[in-house]
Amino acid sequence: EDKVVQSPLSLVVHEGDTVTLNCSYEVTNFRSLLWYKQEKKAPTFLFMLTSSGIEKKSGRLSSILDKKELFSILNITATQTGDSAIYLCAVHTGTASKLTFGTGTRLQVTL
Amino acid sequence: SQTIHQWPATLVQPVGSPLSLECTVEGTSNPNLYWYRQAAGRGLQLLFYSVGIGQISSEVPQNLSASRPQDRQFILSSKKLLLSDSGFYLCAWSVSGAETQYFGPGTRLLVL
Repeated sequence: EDKVVQSPLSLVVHEGDTVTLNCSYEVTNFRSLLWYKQEKKAPTFLFMLTSSGIEKKSGRLSSILDKKELFSILNITATQTGDSAIYLCAVHTGTASKLTFGTGTRLQVTL
Repeated sequence: SQTIHQWPATLVQPVGSPLSLECTVEGTSNPNLYWYRQAAGRGLQLLFYSVGIGQISSEVPQNLSASRPQDRQFILSSKKLLLSDSGFYLCAWSVSGAETQYFGPGTRLLVL
């Protein structure tokens, strides 16, 4: 059975801190790993990673994939209160475009 | 550009009542469509996916069913709701063969 595990489950940081969120996976037929941000409702797409060692970056957010060790990290630098959300990791396993999601990391950024 | 709609946004239903949640996508053709459920504090569980009209794959045995009567319409149904059906239901779409899925605003269902 495909499995995606995220850690920590929840995290509280002060504005300006840097955080690292983790995602490890055990799946068959890995094709890609995706990160989403979920505030109140719909998850919004952040990154898709397919190759090891190539960092994807968008503003203060960056992510990298290690296909040998089967994990990815999502870094957020200089956190802001607007970064407070649940961050979801999902792995695409090549079967009818299905995604297997982790349980998410709930990030709270305080003033 | 593509947009995805879900309704209703919130629903409170008694146990044993029927359910119909609708999802429509605009601005694309022949999308893959998905229904997920998210329990409080949990990740997303894939319930159904569809690669075309009338083609439905079920991921988990449950009290729910799905239908795709039109290319860009996906419906989640139940004949008799259970308490355990409460949750946040998300519809998503992707380009056929592509990996990135895009989510609708969701329906929060409370079964009492």
